[in-house]
Amino acid sequence: ILNVEQSPQSLHVQEGDSTNFTCSFPSSNFYALHWYRWETAKSPEALFVMTLNGDEKKKGRISATLNTKEGYSYLYIKGSQPEDSATYLCASPNAGNMLTFGGGTRLMVKP
Amino acid sequence: DGGITQSPKYLFRKEGQNVTLSCEQNLNHDAMYWYRQDPGQGLRLIYYSQIVNDFQKGDIAEGYSVSREKKESFPLTVTSAQKNPTAFYLCASSDRAYNQPQHFGDGTRLSIL
Repeated sequence: ILNVEQSPQSLHVQEGDSTNFTCSFPSSNFYALHWYRWETAKSPEALFVMTLNGDEKKKGRISATLNTKEGYSYLYIKGSQPEDSATYLCASPNAGNMLTFGGGTRLMVKP
Repeated sequence: DGGITQSPKYLFRKEGQNVTLSCEQNLNHDAMYWYRQDPGQGLRLIYYSQIVNDFQKGDIAEGYSVSREKKESFPLTVTSAQKNPTAFYLCASSDRAYNQPQHFGDGTRLSIL
């Protein structure tokens, strides 16, 4: 079983603040790193799938970076909005796309 | 619309009963998955299937069973052998490669009466 960890567990920020959180994963036998956003009362939604060391991906105000050699990925949110409030999950797959998830970071953005 | 449909949304089980959770997808994905979430914990894999008529145990398969007779459907049975079945269950599907995102249903919340 892979060990995927996320920090912090929860985060409260003010509207307009930029924030970031971390996902760490085993650097050996690395295939990819998935990020998902899970809003309350909705289903998890894929944000990014990253495979290459040094990869950076961006979707609107959200971006992610990947360091496969040291086994971590950062998710950044620029200018947080209340609609960004959600739990952000990272997951590491094996070759067959079986995901091991981290515990998630719960973000709450206050207006 | 393409997507994954889980039913029912809420399910109640009496002690000693088996219950089956439905998961259907029309995304033409080969792979399907079942996850369980407990309060304060991340998603844990119960079973997965890469192709019709084949499935593999995940990290917490004890007390569960699945079938994959059709590409579109991957029902999960929670048996009476599952000692602590109260949880939130999520179904997902994807193409088989590790660089493909998974698509999730809305989940089923199972409670014991």
